[in-house]
Amino acid sequence: EVQLVESGGGLVQPGGSLRLSCSASGFTFSSSAMHWVRQAPGKGLEYVSGINDNGHTTHYADSVKGRFTIYRDDSKNTVYLQMTSLRTEDTAVYHCVKDRSGHYAFDYWAQGTLVTVSS
Amino acid sequence: QSALTQPASVSGSPGQSITISCTGTSSDVGGSKLVSWYQQHPGKAPKLMIYDVSNRPSGVSNRFSASKSGNTAFLTIFGLQSEDEADYYCSSFTASSTWVFGGGTMLTVL
Repeated sequence: EVQLVESGGGLVQPGGSLRLSCSASGFTFSSSAMHWVRQAPGKGLEYVSGINDNGHTTHYADSVKGRFTIYRDDSKNTVYLQMTSLRTEDTAVYHCVKDRSGHYAFDYWAQGTLVTVSS
Repeated sequence: QSALTQPASVSGSPGQSITISCTGTSSDVGGSKLVSWYQQHPGKAPKLMIYDVSNRPSGVSNRFSASKSGNTAFLTIFGLQSEDEADYYCSSFTASSTWVFGGGTMLTVL
């Protein structure tokens, strides 16, 4: 069974930093691209970032480019999202998502971790 | 990258069929075979319902069907059931090598 467990969310002041972690199990992590998708309170889904299976290719939404960094540690079956220069508009539930390999779709979603950016 | 356009809400009675549209541009929906649909119940994580425009993952009911015409994708749910009441989102891989979602459609089963 695929399991994705996130950690690292919380309250941070504008301009601050936070690192999200997503620990994966139940599938061959090293063969899977991974993504982060966020959802602001009461709003829709927004793509944030993704990383391919070998870690050499990353994708970022324009809204986070230059501030967020995605990376992975296959020895720990974990993908990370390092978030810096956080803004109030980054407040959202952040979902770690497994890629449906070869199909550019998101086939398993973690429950999400809440990031609140507020002074 | 602008969000794909979906109706804010649709509704139908049990047993009826409904269709949700998802309109983009030639840089995303119109130029891509990589359109997917997600169902999200309140307080839950989204669930993949359709990928590659019209393919259903294993375990998804065949009451869910999808297609695409030009810059618009469609999700049809046949034989509405109460458990289908949820938010639905479309998504497309884009010419900019990123993904874009629709704004979401709230389905109410009357």
